[in-house]
Amino acid sequence: QVQLVQSGAEVKKPGASVKVSCKASGYTFTGYYMHWVRQAPGQGLEWMGWINPNSGDTNYAQKFPGRVTMTRDTSISTAYMELSILRSDDTAVYYCAREKDLDLDYWGQGTLVTVSS
Amino acid sequence: DIVMTQTPLSSPVTLGQPASISCRSSQSLVHSDGNTYLSWLQQRPGQPPRLLIYKISNRFSGVPDRFSGSGAGTDFTLKISRVEAEDVGFYYCMQATQFPQTFGQGTKVEIK
Repeated sequence: QVQLVQSGAEVKKPGASVKVSCKASGYTFTGYYMHWVRQAPGQGLEWMGWINPNSGDTNYAQKFPGRVTMTRDTSISTAYMELSILRSDDTAVYYCAREKDLDLDYWGQGTLVTVSS
Repeated sequence: DIVMTQTPLSSPVTLGQPASISCRSSQSLVHSDGNTYLSWLQQRPGQPPRLLIYKISNRFSGVPDRFSGSGAGTDFTLKISRVEAEDVGFYYCMQATQFPQTFGQGTKVEIK
């Protein structure tokens, strides 16, 4: 069965960076794009971007100019999302989600990133 | 960006009664390939989102048949025929027809 298991919660100071991982199992990792979506406390869902695990190509939302980097390690079927120059309003739960035919069909459990001085 | 507007934002429902959520997009969601990439996600309290419906009306694997989706163009509806306690949570529509993907604000379904 498809599973996406994310890394644990993080606490970071403003200006720092955070890197969240998403380990995939139960399917061919390189066959499906991986998206990242975040959710601030008590708020809705915000799309951040995607990575093609096969080629490494990425596409990011314009809201994060130069601050977000998505990478992957195909040898361990893991996708990563790194967000830099963290601000307090980056405090959120970050989700990875697999894409199939433009639908986000499986989601990770989420990783809480708290940005606080 | 395409703006997705959901109504209502809150829906108190009696157990066993139907519920309906509307989602309207600021532009047509018909893709150049002929498909309409409008999906519905459910997020139970403390859980990640879960795909319920894709391409307007297709139920995802394991989704009960009391959930149904309909609509076309810019107007879409999610219906729950008989609400059960496990249906409590937030429901989001999402469009993937045009970059970037965008979500509705979410509708809270709760039991009266």
